[in-house]
Order: sequence, then structure tokens, then C-alpha cells
Amino acid sequence: DTGVSQDPRHKITKRGQNVTFRCDPISEHNRLYWYRQTLGQGPEFLTYFQNEAQLEKSRLLSDRFSAERPKGSFSTLEIQRTEQGDSAMYLCASSFMDWTGSGSPLHFGNGTRLTVT
Amino acid sequence: SQKIEQNSEALNIQEGKTATLTCNYTNYSPAYLQWYRQDPGRGPVFLLLIRENEKEKRKERLKVTFDTTLKQSLFHITASQPADSATYLCAPSGYSTLTFGKGTMLLVSP
Repeated sequence: DTGVSQDPRHKITKRGQNVTFRCDPISEHNRLYWYRQTLGQGPEFLTYFQNEAQLEKSRLLSDRFSAERPKGSFSTLEIQRTEQGDSAMYLCASSFMDWTGSGSPLHFGNGTRLTVT
Repeated sequence: SQKIEQNSEALNIQEGKTATLTCNYTNYSPAYLQWYRQDPGRGPVFLLLIRENEKEKRKERLKVTFDTTLKQSLFHITASQPADSATYLCAPSGYSTLTFGKGTMLLVSP
């Protein structure tokens, strides 16, 4: 178990550029989550996948945000036409949800810190 | 809409004392509640999960209570140590997604 890994750890981009972040979850986990966190706030839920199916995406912040999880393995989060307000830490987490639907802990990566100049 | 409240002010305590952090929620009936620890620049780390039919859960120096009538969870760290200094997040949740509070920063001084 190597944990959840995120790449890159830091990204600086100019306003208007597109950025893509990658998340590699724990291999046995079937659920993958994306959160955004700004200073002094808790993680804010964006979207999640069960295997390759994206089950909730209404909380993505705008249509500039999109996420994919091809083949149910790694996931990418893309932000198009970045704005200064997109500057934040983007966190990925994974978990295993069994047939009972009982809650299971989330294992977080250490995030990608995005700075939009 | 759902609302989660945690102590907004940092909690400062002396080493060896018990730290008690509060999590209140409204407009919500979570099936369970989780507590996480977060250090600066790192992702949250899971500590404890308590289900709606459980009143109390313990793990080493940690204890969590869950009162579904009061809509409140208390998180206790006994015999606190400077290494316990961090932000603690509560997450009352259903079966799909976790919603986090803002967190409470705990500072344990030697």
C-alpha cells in the first residue's frame, strides 16, 4: 500500500491557461474523490467516482472543471481557462465501499497546490 | 442547507491535559461521523469513525461521542502531547460523500 499519490505537488499557472492534475488511488479502492481546500476552510467536495462511473458531479464549481477516471484506475481533474479564484489545494482521496454501503474512511493524498497568477 | 460548525478559534492547552473539540451540525441526519487530523501542507488523515447507533468510540488516547439528539459530536484527546498539535476536522456523512467542517486548530504547549 503506497497510499494515494497526486501529481504535481505544486502548479503555478497564468490566468486563462488550462491545468490538469493526476491522482493515483490505493489500488484496492473502488471509490475516488476530488476535494478543493482553501486557506482556513475544510475540504470542499467536488466529485466522486465508483470504479469508472462518475456518480456525482453537480458540485463541480463550474463547467470549467471536469474529471475523468478511465478504466477505473487513476483520475484526472482538469480546470480550463483558470481564474485567480481557482487558487487552492486540490485533494484526491480514495476508499473501498462494500455492498452494504457502509461508510469507510477516506485516504487522502497530499494534494496539488495550484496558484493562478 | 447542511451546516457543520466547529470551534473557529484555536484551542490552546498544556501538555498532559485533555483536549475537547466540538462538532455541531444542522439540517442533517448523518448515518455516521468521522474525525480527521490535518497537518499544514498535507492531506487529512483518518482518525475515528462512529456510527449513529453508537454513543462512544475509543482508540488509544482518543475518544469520540455522537449525540444524534443534540446533533453533536465531541472529540477528546487525553494526556495531550505537543505532537497532537494539528487541525482536526469532523465529517458527518451519509453513505456516499463526506462533508467536512472547517476544522479546529489544536495547539499543545510543552
